[in-house]
Amino acid sequence: GDQVEQSPSALSLHEGTGSALRCNFTTTMRAVQWFRKNSRGSLINLFYLASGTKENGRLKSAFDSKERYSTLHIRDAQLEDSGTYFCAAVASSGSWQLIFGSGTQLTVMP
Amino acid sequence: NSKVIQTPRYLVKGQGQKAKMRCIPEKGHPVVFWYQQNKNNEFKFLINFQNQEVLQQIDMTEKRFSAECPSNSPCSLEIQSSEAGDSALYLCASSHRDRGNERLFFGHGTKLSVL
Repeated sequence: GDQVEQSPSALSLHEGTGSALRCNFTTTMRAVQWFRKNSRGSLINLFYLASGTKENGRLKSAFDSKERYSTLHIRDAQLEDSGTYFCAAVASSGSWQLIFGSGTQLTVMP
Repeated sequence: NSKVIQTPRYLVKGQGQKAKMRCIPEKGHPVVFWYQQNKNNEFKFLINFQNQEVLQQIDMTEKRFSAECPSNSPCSLEIQSSEAGDSALYLCASSHRDRGNERLFFGHGTKLSVL
Protein backbone atom coordinates (compact mmCIF):
# COMPACT_ATOMS: atom_id res chain seq x y z
CA GLY A 1 0.00 0.00 0.00
CA ASP A 2 0.91 3.66 -0.05
CA GLN A 3 3.57 4.47 2.48
CA VAL A 4 5.23 7.50 3.96
CA GLU A 5 8.73 7.00 5.35
CA GLN A 6 9.76 9.76 7.73
CA SER A 7 13.25 10.38 9.03
CA PRO A 8 14.91 10.78 11.39
CA SER A 9 12.74 9.28 14.10
CA ALA A 10 14.46 11.45 16.71
CA LEU A 11 16.56 14.59 16.51
CA SER A 12 18.38 16.67 19.11
CA LEU A 13 19.44 20.22 18.33
CA HIS A 14 21.08 22.96 20.32
CA GLU A 15 19.34 26.30 20.35
CA GLY A 16 20.26 28.38 17.36
CA THR A 17 21.14 25.47 15.10
CA GLY A 18 19.08 23.90 12.35
CA SER A 19 18.35 20.69 10.56
CA ALA A 20 15.95 19.02 8.15
CA LEU A 21 13.28 16.36 8.40
CA ARG A 22 12.40 14.31 5.38
CA CYS A 23 9.53 12.19 4.15
CA ASN A 24 9.86 9.82 1.22
CA PHE A 25 6.80 8.46 -0.50
CA THR A 26 6.45 5.06 -2.12
CA THR A 27 3.94 6.42 -4.61
CA THR A 28 2.98 9.71 -6.19
CA MET A 29 1.30 12.04 -3.73
CA ARG A 30 -0.65 15.12 -4.73
CA ALA A 31 -0.16 17.12 -1.55
CA VAL A 32 1.60 17.01 1.78
CA GLN A 33 0.92 18.53 5.17
CA TRP A 34 3.34 19.03 8.02
CA PHE A 35 2.18 19.14 11.63
CA ARG A 36 3.72 19.61 15.03
CA LYS A 37 2.21 17.86 18.00
CA ASN A 38 2.45 20.20 20.93
CA SER A 39 2.80 19.39 24.62
CA ARG A 40 -0.98 19.19 24.97
CA GLY A 41 -1.19 16.63 22.18
CA SER A 42 -2.79 18.94 19.62
CA LEU A 43 -1.74 18.76 15.96
CA ILE A 44 -0.68 22.20 14.85
CA ASN A 45 -0.78 22.89 11.12
CA LEU A 46 2.60 24.01 9.83
CA PHE A 47 2.38 23.72 6.06
CA TYR A 48 0.19 22.48 3.26
CA LEU A 49 1.89 22.08 -0.12
CA ALA A 50 0.68 20.79 -3.45
CA SER A 51 4.07 21.68 -5.01
CA GLY A 52 7.13 23.86 -4.57
CA THR A 53 8.26 25.45 -1.34
CA LYS A 54 6.78 27.53 1.44
CA GLU A 55 8.41 29.43 4.22
CA ASN A 56 7.05 30.63 7.51
CA GLY A 57 9.44 32.26 9.92
CA ARG A 58 12.17 29.80 10.81
CA LEU A 59 10.47 26.93 9.03
CA LYS A 60 10.65 26.08 5.36
CA SER A 61 9.08 23.17 3.55
CA ALA A 62 9.46 21.70 0.09
CA PHE A 63 7.45 19.11 -1.80
CA ASP A 64 8.45 17.33 -4.99
CA SER A 65 5.68 15.05 -6.18
CA LYS A 66 7.68 13.67 -9.09
CA GLU A 67 10.70 12.79 -6.93
CA ARG A 68 8.37 11.58 -4.15
CA TYR A 69 9.65 13.47 -1.15
CA SER A 70 9.02 16.40 1.11
CA THR A 71 11.30 18.17 3.56
CA LEU A 72 10.87 20.44 6.56
CA HIS A 73 13.82 22.67 7.40
CA ILE A 74 14.14 24.27 10.82
CA ARG A 75 16.67 27.05 11.33
CA ASP A 76 17.68 28.88 14.49
CA ALA A 77 15.90 26.29 16.61
CA GLN A 78 14.27 27.50 19.83
CA LEU A 79 13.28 25.55 22.93
CA GLU A 80 9.59 25.90 22.07
CA ASP A 81 10.18 24.06 18.77
CA SER A 82 10.51 20.81 20.71
CA GLY A 83 7.77 18.33 19.93
CA THR A 84 6.87 15.58 17.52
CA TYR A 85 6.66 16.53 13.85
CA PHE A 86 4.58 14.60 11.37
CA CYS A 87 4.30 14.70 7.63
CA ALA A 88 1.12 13.42 6.03
CA ALA A 89 0.41 13.04 2.35
CA VAL A 90 -2.56 12.59 0.05
CA ALA A 91 -2.14 9.91 -2.62
CA SER A 92 -2.76 11.03 -6.17
CA SER A 93 -4.87 8.02 -6.97
CA GLY A 94 -7.96 6.66 -5.32
CA SER A 95 -8.94 7.41 -1.76
CA TRP A 96 -8.65 10.84 -0.27
CA GLN A 97 -6.98 10.18 3.04
CA LEU A 98 -3.94 11.55 4.75
CA ILE A 99 -1.23 8.93 5.11
CA PHE A 100 0.96 9.82 8.05
CA GLY A 101 4.64 9.38 8.59
CA SER A 102 5.85 7.84 11.82
CA GLY A 103 6.93 11.18 13.29
CA THR A 104 10.17 12.87 14.29
CA GLN A 105 10.68 13.65 17.94
CA LEU A 106 12.63 16.91 18.08
CA THR A 107 14.36 18.00 21.26
CA VAL A 108 15.91 21.45 21.36
CA MET A 109 18.48 21.85 24.10
CA PRO A 110 19.82 25.06 25.66
CA ASN B 1 -4.96 27.33 14.44
CA SER B 2 -7.91 24.94 14.23
CA LYS B 3 -11.56 25.52 15.04
CA VAL B 4 -12.51 21.86 15.13
CA ILE B 5 -14.07 21.12 18.50
CA GLN B 6 -13.99 17.67 20.03
CA THR B 7 -15.69 16.48 23.19
CA PRO B 8 -15.06 15.04 25.66
CA ARG B 9 -11.33 15.60 26.05
CA TYR B 10 -10.99 12.41 28.10
CA LEU B 11 -13.18 9.32 28.21
CA VAL B 12 -12.81 6.32 30.48
CA LYS B 13 -14.83 3.17 29.86
CA GLY B 14 -14.89 -0.42 30.95
CA GLN B 15 -14.57 -3.24 28.47
CA GLY B 16 -17.86 -3.91 26.74
CA GLN B 17 -19.20 -0.43 27.39
CA LYS B 18 -20.20 2.01 24.69
CA ALA B 19 -17.89 4.94 24.12
CA LYS B 20 -19.16 8.00 22.28
CA MET B 21 -17.25 11.06 21.19
CA ARG B 22 -18.33 14.13 19.28
CA CYS B 23 -16.87 16.57 16.81
CA ILE B 24 -17.97 19.94 15.49
CA PRO B 25 -16.10 20.61 12.24
CA GLU B 26 -14.95 24.05 11.19
CA LYS B 27 -17.77 26.11 9.78
CA GLY B 28 -18.11 25.62 6.05
CA HIS B 29 -16.12 22.39 5.94
CA PRO B 30 -18.22 19.64 4.35
CA VAL B 31 -15.72 16.84 4.86
CA VAL B 32 -14.99 15.22 8.20
CA PHE B 33 -12.41 12.57 9.02
CA TRP B 34 -11.87 10.39 12.06
CA TYR B 35 -8.42 9.00 12.86
CA GLN B 36 -7.17 6.84 15.68
CA GLN B 37 -3.69 7.57 17.04
CA ASN B 38 -2.12 4.92 19.27
CA LYS B 39 0.54 5.33 21.93
CA ASN B 40 3.24 4.69 19.30
CA ASN B 41 2.05 7.78 17.41
CA GLU B 42 0.70 5.66 14.57
CA PHE B 43 -2.33 7.05 12.81
CA LYS B 44 -5.13 4.86 11.54
CA PHE B 45 -7.82 6.24 9.27
CA LEU B 46 -11.29 5.18 10.46
CA ILE B 47 -13.95 6.90 8.39
CA ASN B 48 -14.74 10.06 6.50
CA PHE B 49 -17.91 11.88 5.56
CA GLN B 50 -18.93 14.44 3.03
CA ASN B 51 -21.87 16.28 4.50
CA GLN B 52 -23.95 13.44 5.91
CA GLU B 53 -22.71 10.68 3.61
CA VAL B 54 -19.96 8.19 4.38
CA LEU B 55 -17.18 8.39 1.78
CA GLN B 56 -14.84 5.67 3.03
CA GLN B 57 -14.44 3.52 6.10
CA ILE B 58 -12.25 0.66 7.16
CA ASP B 59 -13.54 -2.78 8.02
CA MET B 60 -13.10 -2.32 11.78
CA THR B 61 -15.19 0.81 11.72
CA GLU B 62 -17.91 -0.86 9.75
CA LYS B 63 -18.22 -3.71 12.24
CA ARG B 64 -17.70 -2.23 15.69
CA PHE B 65 -18.14 1.48 15.34
CA SER B 66 -21.06 3.63 14.44
CA ALA B 67 -20.49 7.11 13.10
CA GLU B 68 -22.64 9.85 11.73
CA CYS B 69 -22.55 13.48 10.72
CA PRO B 70 -26.16 14.70 10.84
CA SER B 71 -26.94 18.13 9.49
CA ASN B 72 -27.04 20.86 12.13
CA SER B 73 -25.66 18.53 14.83
CA PRO B 74 -22.18 17.45 15.88
CA CYS B 75 -20.60 14.48 14.15
CA SER B 76 -20.17 11.47 16.40
CA LEU B 77 -18.11 8.31 16.61
CA GLU B 78 -19.29 5.55 18.91
CA ILE B 79 -17.63 2.28 19.76
CA GLN B 80 -20.42 -0.20 20.39
CA SER B 81 -18.49 -2.47 22.75
CA SER B 82 -15.15 -1.09 23.88
CA GLU B 83 -12.08 -3.30 23.92
CA ALA B 84 -8.74 -2.70 25.62
CA GLY B 85 -7.13 -2.24 22.20
CA ASP B 86 -9.41 0.71 21.52
CA SER B 87 -7.52 2.83 24.05
CA ALA B 88 -6.12 5.63 21.90
CA LEU B 89 -6.46 9.25 20.93
CA TYR B 90 -9.36 9.76 18.53
CA LEU B 91 -8.84 12.71 16.24
CA CYS B 92 -11.46 14.46 14.18
CA ALA B 93 -10.45 16.64 11.23
CA SER B 94 -12.37 18.71 8.73
CA SER B 95 -11.62 20.12 5.31
CA HIS B 96 -13.05 22.19 2.50
CA ARG B 97 -12.26 19.39 0.05
CA ASP B 98 -11.41 21.94 -2.58
CA ARG B 99 -9.07 20.39 -5.13
CA GLY B 100 -6.82 23.38 -4.84
CA ASN B 101 -6.56 23.07 -1.07
CA GLU B 102 -7.30 19.82 0.71
CA ARG B 103 -5.76 20.88 3.99
CA LEU B 104 -7.08 19.07 7.04
CA PHE B 105 -7.61 20.80 10.35
CA PHE B 106 -7.55 18.62 13.43
CA GLY B 107 -9.31 18.95 16.74
CA HIS B 108 -7.57 18.34 20.08
CA GLY B 109 -8.78 14.77 20.16
CA THR B 110 -10.63 12.57 22.64
CA LYS B 111 -8.35 10.35 24.67
CA LEU B 112 -10.13 7.08 25.32
CA SER B 113 -8.98 4.73 28.04
CA VAL B 114 -10.63 1.31 28.18
CA LEU B 115 -10.00 -0.36 31.51
